[in-house]
Amino acid sequence: AQTVTQSQPEMSVQEAETVTLSCTYDTSESDYYLFWYKQPPSRQMILVIRQEAYKQQNATENRFSVNFQKAAKSFSLKISDSQLGDAAMYFCAYRTGRGGSEKLVFGKGMKLTVNP
Amino acid sequence: DTGVSQDPRHKITKRGQNVTFRCDPISEHNRLYWYRQTLGQGPEFLTYFQNEAQLEKSRLLSDRFSAERPKGSFSTLEIQRTEQGDSAMYLCASSPGLSNQPQHFGDGTRLSIL
Repeated sequence: AQTVTQSQPEMSVQEAETVTLSCTYDTSESDYYLFWYKQPPSRQMILVIRQEAYKQQNATENRFSVNFQKAAKSFSLKISDSQLGDAAMYFCAYRTGRGGSEKLVFGKGMKLTVNP
Repeated sequence: DTGVSQDPRHKITKRGQNVTFRCDPISEHNRLYWYRQTLGQGPEFLTYFQNEAQLEKSRLLSDRFSAERPKGSFSTLEIQRTEQGDSAMYLCASSPGLSNQPQHFGDGTRLSIL
């Protein structure tokens, strides 16, 4: 079974600084997707960024980028120019590729605090 | 898009009672998912529908849990004879038919068992 590990339960960053959230996963599959979701307090979970395992190029979405190391099974999220609105729980998630299970497997999450 | 809608937002009930939650997916999303999230944990998969067919169920979905999506639109999740351990946030998500599309989540229903 696939597992996702987020080893840092909490992190803090100063506004306008850069922070990196770590995630590792375990799988024997070669085709899969990886996601970072953000869950603000008492609000819905929203997708931040996703990566397809067959793509070597790291995904970027504005201030958010990933460092995908397939051999090391590592998928870290970098947030540049941190803003107060980035404060939230961040979850790393795994999904099997085409034709496999549709379920997302989540890590335990990491609470990010942004200090003004 | 109006987003994934879940009702109610909060449910408080006594142990042993039955509860039912509703989820309305984003229109034209034919895939619908249920997850459970307990305090301090990430969401855990419960079940998945494609249209009206329930295609995947987790071992977490005991015989006290049942989910339906009768017309391939909204879905209900029922928990019978609730137990203290059922206290959690129940999240619904939906996605389009293409397998590489991400899941979009609702606000969730928070269940508290007295």
